[in-house]
Amino acid sequence: DAKTTQPTSMDCAEGRAANLPCNHSTISGNEYVYWYRQIHSQGPQYIIHGLKNNETNEMASLIITEDRKSSTLILPHATLRDTAVYYCIAFNSGGSNYKLTFGKGTLLTVNP
Amino acid sequence: DAGVIQSPRHEVTEMGQEVTLRCKPISGHNSLFWYRQTMMRGLELLIYFNNNVPIDDSGMPEDRFSAKMPNASFSTLKIQPSEPRDSAVYFCASSLLELGELFFGEGSRLTVL
Repeated sequence: DAKTTQPTSMDCAEGRAANLPCNHSTISGNEYVYWYRQIHSQGPQYIIHGLKNNETNEMASLIITEDRKSSTLILPHATLRDTAVYYCIAFNSGGSNYKLTFGKGTLLTVNP
Repeated sequence: DAGVIQSPRHEVTEMGQEVTLRCKPISGHNSLFWYRQTMMRGLELLIYFNNNVPIDDSGMPEDRFSAKMPNASFSTLKIQPSEPRDSAVYFCASSLLELGELFFGEGSRLTVL
């Protein structure tokens, strides 16, 4: 799976949009971009994934650049409960090596 | 659905003792994963099963670690003998088919003294 690069930490004001970037310049054509988050002392939680088109669900939006070398996870109205470590993962769900590998992620702190 | 259920939530034991962690995956899911999380190494995949069969155990640190999945609704991770460096939070996760949407349990926090 392709390596991803994320900032170590970010801050966001409550009620504002949180935009979390991820670089995956070596992503291959059949690798999806997955986002998870981990709130302190809890297990990781799946947020969203996409291949090439932008995706939106009840939790977030995922914007993938046309060349697929980077993406942005958008939390449209961040709340204090969104404070967590956010992981961006490039993953080939159709491959034979089924390993979802978590990096260090981005610690998002939502401030009041 | 109750989600992935792990037990115990907390375990404190002494070096040399056997530790057994348990996991009940979400009903209908056919893939199960064991992860370990420490401050130093982050989240590491130890082993995963598909249809109760171990597919990849390359992440298991050494022979002291073993994992079983006797049926679709139960898995165990055993450490024997335990060592202080095994102290970590152990997560179990399950998924439907071999997809990237994993559902994690709340974890088992292990402390080996």
